[in-house]
Amino acid sequence: DTGVSQDPRHKITKRGQNVTFRCDPISEHNRLYWYRQTLGQGPEFLTYFQNEAQLEKSRLLSDRFSAERPKGSFSTLEIQRTEQGDSAMYLCASSLTGSMNTEAFFGQGTRLTVV
Amino acid sequence: AQRVTQPEKLLSVFKGAPVELKCNYSYSGSPELFWYVQYSRQRLQLLLRHISRESIKGFTADLNKGETSFHLKKPFAQEEDSAMYYCALTKTSYDKVIFGPGTSLSVIP
Repeated sequence: DTGVSQDPRHKITKRGQNVTFRCDPISEHNRLYWYRQTLGQGPEFLTYFQNEAQLEKSRLLSDRFSAERPKGSFSTLEIQRTEQGDSAMYLCASSLTGSMNTEAFFGQGTRLTVV
Repeated sequence: AQRVTQPEKLLSVFKGAPVELKCNYSYSGSPELFWYVQYSRQRLQLLLRHISRESIKGFTADLNKGETSFHLKKPFAQEEDSAMYYCALTKTSYDKVIFGPGTSLSVIP
């Protein structure tokens, strides 16, 4: 599968623990997005990267959330001191900017459950 | 700030009936508009974009700048159209993509 891949697919953690998710975008894509999706809602923007540069982080995002894309390839999203409200599906997407094709390709997501 | 609204959370239509999923946006400039679809147990994927003016799986969408709308239409719904549909926009090709809350379409046999 040459699409966007996310790992793990599911994560159950106790409140207060730290978790880290990984996203591997489509190889030639320079743009990488992180979204969060809760039941009955659309994907909520969290942050995005152009190559290794983090261009924007949602103002709604707590300081407990941090994302990196150190070499402009894969990305990690870390949540520190998890809370039950962090339970959601975390989606990663990638795209190729600078062209007319701005389609974002999504991974299958990481489902986080905080107990 | 830009925003996308989809007034219907759920929409049920009979097979063969026309379907219209509504999308309105708020943005003062000229955004790029998209429809994404998520079928059961599949990942979110692009259905169509306004810039291409294409018809995909019988669906079309027209951008109405005066009404700031981008409604998705299909003249004859099929059972395989049952899915979650998300309207989305980006200010430019270089900006982030913002999604609406989604509409769940159910096509009744």
